[in-house]
Amino acid sequence: DAGITQSPRHKVTETGTPVTLRCHQTENHRYMYWYRQDPGHGLRLIHYSYGVKDTDKGEVSDGYSVSRSKTEDFLLTLESATSSQTSVYFCAISESRADALEAFFGQGTRLTVV
Amino acid sequence: KNEVEQSPQNLTAQEGEFITINCSYSVGISALHWLQQHPGGGIVSLFMLSSGKKKHGRLIATINIQEKHSSLHITASHPRDSAVYICAVREGGAQKLVFGQGTRLTINP
Repeated sequence: DAGITQSPRHKVTETGTPVTLRCHQTENHRYMYWYRQDPGHGLRLIHYSYGVKDTDKGEVSDGYSVSRSKTEDFLLTLESATSSQTSVYFCAISESRADALEAFFGQGTRLTVV
Repeated sequence: KNEVEQSPQNLTAQEGEFITINCSYSVGISALHWLQQHPGGGIVSLFMLSSGKKKHGRLIATINIQEKHSSLHITASHPRDSAVYICAVREGGAQKLVFGQGTRLTINP
C-alpha cells in the first residue's frame, strides 16, 4: 500500500470553528489532492497541489484553503466550519497530473460539523 | 444530470454469480478508471482504461469509446467483493476528474 496517512480519522466540531485536516505521504509523489465524498455525489475535488507551495482550486473550493510547505504534507483548512462541510474527506497522491487516475487514496476523515 | 452515471446504484447477488456494473459518461475523455471502496472507507484503484479491455483475476473491465460506456464484470463473485465500485473519467484536455456516484455491491454467501 502507498504510504499515505490522514489525520484525524474522525472529528466533530462546532459551526464557526476552524478545522485543519492533514495528509502525509511517504512516497515523494508530486501531486496531492483533497476530495470530499457526500451521499448522492461522487468524489469531488476541493483543491490539489502540484508541488511545494503550488496549489490550485478544484470544483468545490469555496470555504476551503490548502497549504503545502513540504512535499510530504498537504493541509486542508476550513476557516469557519459550516454544517454543509460535514462530509468524508479523502486525500490522494499521484506521481504526475497526467496519471491522476493512478492515484493512491488515504483512509478518509469523517468530519461532522454541529 | 451527472456527467458520469453508474448503474445500478445498488446490487445484491448470491455468491458465484456473474456481476456487471455499468458506467456511462457524456464528455470526451482521455481515460476511465474503476475504483473499489471497501466498507472501512479505503479506496483502491482497480483499472485504468483508454480503450478495449483489461483483466485482473476475476475482474474484467471494458470500454467502448464510441458509445461512451464502460462495464466492470466480476466472475465467480465472492462475499469479499462486497464494496462500492466507483467509475471515474478524466476529461480530455481539461485534466479534470469526474467521479460517478458509485455502485454498492453486496454478495451474500
